[in-house]
Amino acid sequence: EILLTQSPGTLSLSPGERATLSCRASQSVSSGYLAWYQQKPGQAPRLLIYGTSSRATGIPDRFSGSGSATDFTLTISRLEPEDFAVYYCQQYGHSPTFGPGTKVDIK
Amino acid sequence: QVQLVQSGDEVKKPGASMKVSCNASGYTFTSYAISWVRQAPGQGLEWMGWITAYNGNTNYAQKLQGRVSMTTDTSTSTAYMELTSLTSDDTAVYYCARGGSGWQKFDYWGQGTLVTVSS
Repeated sequence: EILLTQSPGTLSLSPGERATLSCRASQSVSSGYLAWYQQKPGQAPRLLIYGTSSRATGIPDRFSGSGSATDFTLTISRLEPEDFAVYYCQQYGHSPTFGPGTKVDIK
Repeated sequence: QVQLVQSGDEVKKPGASMKVSCNASGYTFTSYAISWVRQAPGQGLEWMGWITAYNGNTNYAQKLQGRVSMTTDTSTSTAYMELTSLTSDDTAVYYCARGGSGWQKFDYWGQGTLVTVSS
């Protein structure tokens, strides 16, 4: 099983600032099958990024993903009020796993 | 538009079983897998398993092997997840999502079903 760790656990930032979230895998993620999801309270997760760096339908270009092998990053270039949420990384190989999440809250 | 609509919230006794449904619309049901993901109160996301809709192949999380069963009914485009021998640790919101098998991303999600296990 591929274990994912995310850092930091909580990121306190102001609107307009840049957010950088990290996801590290216990072994190489095959073919970059790494995704990022956003979840707001009381809502289902929403797919943001798949294949390490491809934005899902309707996701604004302030969201970007990068990385390879075991180290991946989600960057939000300028935080909007609606971006304050919990973000999960996921590897979607044969047996998918999720990271523990990073909460982005308002400073 | 793609929609996954789940059955309603449930309360179960310890030792009982639960069965949640997920009705898909807006796409060809047999072209994708359905995964199940749960989230205990205040906790993160836990993948439970997936089922390929066209042939019923399954892959369950090792932790749940022997207690979980996933099925589909292609005539109604509905996926089901059954979990047996419930304990309080199974109290969670259960989500279905399109994707899983064949390295498919989880691109659409159901609204979630809260299952509370309590005596």
